[in-house]
Amino acid sequence: DAMVIQNPRYQVTQFGKPVTLSCSQTLNHNVMYWYQQKSSQAPKLLFHYYDKDFNNEADTPDNFQSRRPNTSFCFLDIRSPGLGDAAMYLCATSRKGGNEKLFFGSGTQLSVL
Amino acid sequence: AQSVTQLGSHVSVSEGALVLLRCNYSSSVPPYLFWYVQYPNQGLQLLLKYTTGATLVKGINGFEAEFKKSETSFHLTKPSAHMSDAAEYFCAVSDGFGNEKLTFGTGTRLTIIP
Repeated sequence: DAMVIQNPRYQVTQFGKPVTLSCSQTLNHNVMYWYQQKSSQAPKLLFHYYDKDFNNEADTPDNFQSRRPNTSFCFLDIRSPGLGDAAMYLCATSRKGGNEKLFFGSGTQLSVL
Repeated sequence: AQSVTQLGSHVSVSEGALVLLRCNYSSSVPPYLFWYVQYPNQGLQLLLKYTTGATLVKGINGFEAEFKKSETSFHLTKPSAHMSDAAEYFCAVSDGFGNEKLTFGTGTRLTIIP
């Protein structure tokens, strides 16, 4: 029944070592989002795709990149993780954005050693 | 620009008591407003949303919220708290004009006292 699936659930990487987080969806939604959520803070939007159109938030660090090879999959690449990038990364989808309900995955908890 | 303020990062209520979680928003256009709940180690789940029409919105698990434009508020309530309501609650706003972004508040952690 899982509709937005994030793998892995926990990811440990080393300082400066590239890491990729993955997200897949079975909902056939147009919009996919990546949020960063640090402890006791609000989820912060990093970027989103409307179909293949990529939209980067102005304050998203260049260290973060994303790929969406098809409707079902979206990846978050962190090129050189720093200690400050340790967080929960949430993937979400919606049919067409804005006033539409977001469906979230369970998240990937990233630790940077 | 939109913003959301949630008053009280932690709220504790006794089981069976009224739950009131506060949310105030700022938006230059008519807002769309949402409440999401996050249980430990899980993603966020939509509780309810206001877009247009009736200002009192009912959601899942017995929660409801009222949009008050004059007070720029969208407070979440539940008449009788259950132990299963213990979670983090996030209020969020979008501008409702096809904008694909939600702006979240910093969350309120609800603890239920047996």
